[in-house]
Amino acid sequence: SQTIHQWPATLVQPVGSPLSLECTVEGTSNPNLYWYRQAAGRGLQLLFYSVGIGQISSEVPQNLSASRPQDRQFILSSKKLLLSDSGFYLCAWSLDRGHGYTFGSGTRLTVV
Amino acid sequence: AQSVTQLDSHVSVSEGTPVLLRCNYSSSYSPSLFWYVQHPNKGLQLLLKYTSAATLVKGINGFEAEFKKSETSFHLTKPSAHMSDAAEYFCVVSDGNQFYFGTGTSLTVIP
Repeated sequence: SQTIHQWPATLVQPVGSPLSLECTVEGTSNPNLYWYRQAAGRGLQLLFYSVGIGQISSEVPQNLSASRPQDRQFILSSKKLLLSDSGFYLCAWSLDRGHGYTFGSGTRLTVV
Repeated sequence: AQSVTQLDSHVSVSEGTPVLLRCNYSSSYSPSLFWYVQHPNKGLQLLLKYTSAATLVKGINGFEAEFKKSETSFHLTKPSAHMSDAAEYFCVVSDGNQFYFGTGTSLTVIP
């Protein structure tokens, strides 16, 4: 069966520090991978999606970047965090529209 | 263009009474539609999905949704609310390439 792992679960980082959130998928090949952010009291915002290794599409200009070094690994990064980067970050994967998303358990990022 | 509108940002029901969470969509194609639930500080869990089969879709935890093409709606219902149903619910439409989320409906269950 397919599983998705996302870590860490919570993170408190100072302004200006770097960020690296990792997401891995098991039990499937060539998944579509996604990073979403959910700010407090707001809906989900698609940040990045990837349809293959090294293929990254950015939905919103921001202080973040994403990379897909392996088929089932998706990394969200920042060189210098801003206060506005605080939020709940969710990784997800899908095969096609009929399957929908499977989400990771999320990372609560607080920038102080 | 695809979009999803969740008509209520907050819904409160008493335990044991019916739940109705409303969702309308706009899609240029035959869409796939989904409902997800999110408990506090947790990831999103798939409740049910519609992918052009039966228009009445049954999901987990007693939830179901009916796809009504003429009304472009996909409302989520449950006959009897349970305290554990208190959570955020998201309606999602897919056009085959991307998924589009509604802004969410927060469900409160009053004991």
